[in-house]
Amino acid sequence: AQTVTQSQPEMSVQEAETVTLSCTYDTSENNYYLFWYKQPPSRQMILVIRQEAYKQQNATENRFSVNFQKAAKSFSLKISDSQLGDTAMYFCASEGRGATNKLIFGTGTLLAVQP
Amino acid sequence: DTGVSQDPRHKITKRGQNVTFRCDPISEHNRLYWYRQTLGQGPEFLTYFQNEAQLEKSRLLSDRFSAERPKGSFSTLEIQRTEQGDSAMYLCAGGQSDTQYFGPGTRLTVL
Repeated sequence: AQTVTQSQPEMSVQEAETVTLSCTYDTSENNYYLFWYKQPPSRQMILVIRQEAYKQQNATENRFSVNFQKAAKSFSLKISDSQLGDTAMYFCASEGRGATNKLIFGTGTLLAVQP
Repeated sequence: DTGVSQDPRHKITKRGQNVTFRCDPISEHNRLYWYRQTLGQGPEFLTYFQNEAQLEKSRLLSDRFSAERPKGSFSTLEIQRTEQGDSAMYLCAGGQSDTQYFGPGTRLTVL
């Protein structure tokens, strides 16, 4: 079965600092997408960033960037200049097998940004 | 705001009762997904619609669960004879291609 592993259940970072959240995945697909979603407390899941596997260039969205290592099946998220509003559960997800593009999620990393 | 809405936001029911949830994606979302999320876990895929056709169902979707998407617009997820193990957040997501946009979810509590 396809799996996504987030080995850091909780992380803490000081405001304005940089933090990296880890994610590894397992897939037999050759072309696929990877995603990071953010779920603030009691609020809806929001897309943070996505990466196409065939693109070697790492995706960047403002303060958020990824380090995509296809051979190692690693997809980490770097948050620069952390803000209090970044406090949330972060989920890594990969596309599952088949044409439906269903997502396989990790168990999440709870990030707390400290003032 | 992703434009995907879900109703109700919270539902408390007694074991054995039937419940129905609704998801309204934006009109451009030809793809619609249902996921279930239990405490401390990531969402798990339940079922997928492309327009009005239900193209995939997870093994998690027992016979007590049924989903519809008439006319390829809104979708409903019904759970019959609810069990305490059905208590979870039920998330709906819409999309056009490879990216899914989630609604706020319906939190179900079965007493």
